[in-house]
Amino acid sequence: KNQVEQSPQSLIILEGKNCTLQCNYTVSPFSNLRWYKQDTGRGPVSLTIMTFSENTKSNGRYTATLDADTKQSSLHITASQLSDSASYICVVRSGGYNKLIFGAGTRLAVHP
Amino acid sequence: NAGVTQTPKFQVLKTGQSMTLQCAQDMNHEYMSWYRQDPGMGLRLIHYSVGAGITDQGEVPNGYNVSRSTTEDFPLRLLSAAPSQTSVYFCASSKNPGQGTEQFFGPGTRLTVL
Repeated sequence: KNQVEQSPQSLIILEGKNCTLQCNYTVSPFSNLRWYKQDTGRGPVSLTIMTFSENTKSNGRYTATLDADTKQSSLHITASQLSDSASYICVVRSGGYNKLIFGAGTRLAVHP
Repeated sequence: NAGVTQTPKFQVLKTGQSMTLQCAQDMNHEYMSWYRQDPGMGLRLIHYSVGAGITDQGEVPNGYNVSRSTTEDFPLRLLSAAPSQTSVYFCASSKNPGQGTEQFFGPGTRLTVL
């Protein structure tokens, strides 16, 4: 069964600190992996997309990595800000356009 | 551009009532979809459409109907609401159903069924 598992479920860090969120997937076939940020009461917004051949991709203070061999991805947030408080969702596309498998998300709280 | 808009933002229904969740996009996107988001679970696809006049079922379609008469609008109808349909509903759109195409999500509708 295709699954996307994210860890930790929730995380609290202090402003200015770094953190890393994990995404493990058992999806086949694999097309791409996308990280979304979802602010409370809002819809998800795309941060990065990773294809099979990409290992690392950055978007400002967000850096995503992908290890297609171990089927793992991570999202590293550098120098966290209060505005980083949100849920971060890992989504893996498996083949067709309607074949998106969503993780349950990691809820990040950045405290001053 | 307003992007993807959804109305209402909040709704409370009684069991057995019907209602329509509205979704509209002004980006001329062909692909639109409806998801529900429940605590501790990933988003699940309810229905989707690859263009006006074309709809198909997703992972959890039971109890929901959709239609796509225009490119802009993709309403979701709850036929007879049940407490199990209490959830947050998101509409999304993308330019085309291609694999690398980003989906843009609306702000969501929080539905409570009593």
